[in-house]
Amino acid sequence: QQKVQQSPESLIVPEGGMASLNCTFSDRNSQYFWWYRQHSGEGPKALMSIFSNGDKKEGRFTAHLNKASLHVSLHIKDSQPSDSALYFCAVRGTNTGKLTFGDGTVLTVKP
Amino acid sequence: EAAVTQSPRNKVAVTGGKVTLSCNQTNNHNNMYWYRQDTGHGLRLIHYSYGAGSTEKGDIPDGYKASRPSQENFSLILELATPSQTSVYFCASGVDWGVGGQNTLYFGAGTRLSVL
Repeated sequence: QQKVQQSPESLIVPEGGMASLNCTFSDRNSQYFWWYRQHSGEGPKALMSIFSNGDKKEGRFTAHLNKASLHVSLHIKDSQPSDSALYFCAVRGTNTGKLTFGDGTVLTVKP
Repeated sequence: EAAVTQSPRNKVAVTGGKVTLSCNQTNNHNNMYWYRQDTGHGLRLIHYSYGAGSTEKGDIPDGYKASRPSQENFSLILELATPSQTSVYFCASGVDWGVGGQNTLYFGAGTRLSVL
């Protein structure tokens, strides 16, 4: 069964700073990876996806994937108070619609 | 944006009672999912469905049943509710997983269930 682990559990960064979130997965057949963000009182929303090894940049957000080391990360540049939320890593293997989530990282951006 | 609506938003149930959580999506997505969210456990998959009439067990199906009577509707049923099922439940929908990796999930706002 797929295991997805996130670190750190919580993170505090100053406004304008860089936030780095990490995720490791156990199934080497995993193919598709997402980062979801959940603000308090809401459902999770997809932030970005990454399917190939390397970096993918969308605005202030950069995801990095290394399938060989079973690792995916999210880096948020110029963090804003509105980025304060719970961030989930989600992983899907081939031939299945099942998406497995990590336990999440709570990000707090201090003004 | 894709729309997923859950009802009720809040529910208080008694131990041993039957609880039905409902989910409706208007996106014509084939796949639908039920997750529960608990502090320290993130989102855990209970049941999912590939289309009307189908249900599949997720990672924590014990104590739960699911029903997918139509493309739009997916229900989660607790036949005999227990206090350990107190949680926040999220429904989600997504396109056919067979379309490469393009099955981003769209979540509802959640149902907060308390079993006393």
